[in-house]
Amino acid sequence: DTEVTQTPKHLVMGMTNKKSLKCEQHMGHRAMYWYKQKAKKPPELMFVYSYEKLSINESVPSRFSPECPNSSLLNLHLHALQPEDSALYLCASSSDFSTDTQYFGPGTRLTVL
Amino acid sequence: GQQVMQIPQYQHVQEGEDFTTYCNSSTTLSNIQWYKQRPGGHPVFLIQLVKSGEVKKQKRLTFQFGEAKKNSSLHITATQTTDVGTYFCAFSGSARQLTFGSGTQLTVLP
Repeated sequence: DTEVTQTPKHLVMGMTNKKSLKCEQHMGHRAMYWYKQKAKKPPELMFVYSYEKLSINESVPSRFSPECPNSSLLNLHLHALQPEDSALYLCASSSDFSTDTQYFGPGTRLTVL
Repeated sequence: GQQVMQIPQYQHVQEGEDFTTYCNSSTTLSNIQWYKQRPGGHPVFLIQLVKSGEVKKQKRLTFQFGEAKKNSSLHITATQTTDVGTYFCAFSGSARQLTFGSGTQLTVLP
């Protein structure tokens, strides 16, 4: 199984809402990532979890809160977002070697009204 | 930090023509990876190159890593409409951080 799944596929939320994005992989990978991708731009790294511990936070605003409940799951909690946060949010995973391939999920397309 | 420049930004070709996208870095890279993202899709890993001067082929796709490990190219021979999408190069530094190039958006006209 080389699949990374993400839910929901689409999400529309208001600026006062609280929502969560979910990501799951069953490849035994120990590194998981959140990326943000705006239209016609490359993915931008937000967070990296290694062995269920947050190892990189790319100066992401606190209205984005990641969580790694176990080695297969990764969540991104959203609160008080701004319209400019509308984007495709991609989850990825890789094994624990720095040069290893990253497998991306299909993404959640988020619209903030 | 390290960055890669990718050119061209856009490329329109007639079906059957060849296509090449280039990535250039001012510093030596430990590796280079290539991803393809179809319209409305997500990045899909194509290949990784790690050795100086390495050349790898996947059917009509040829990937090269420069001798100095500062540049890389992806060449598609005889493009097909299924090749449409954005091609990204990327490299991974320490701490599992993948940095993407700006991408080349390929349009194939039938």
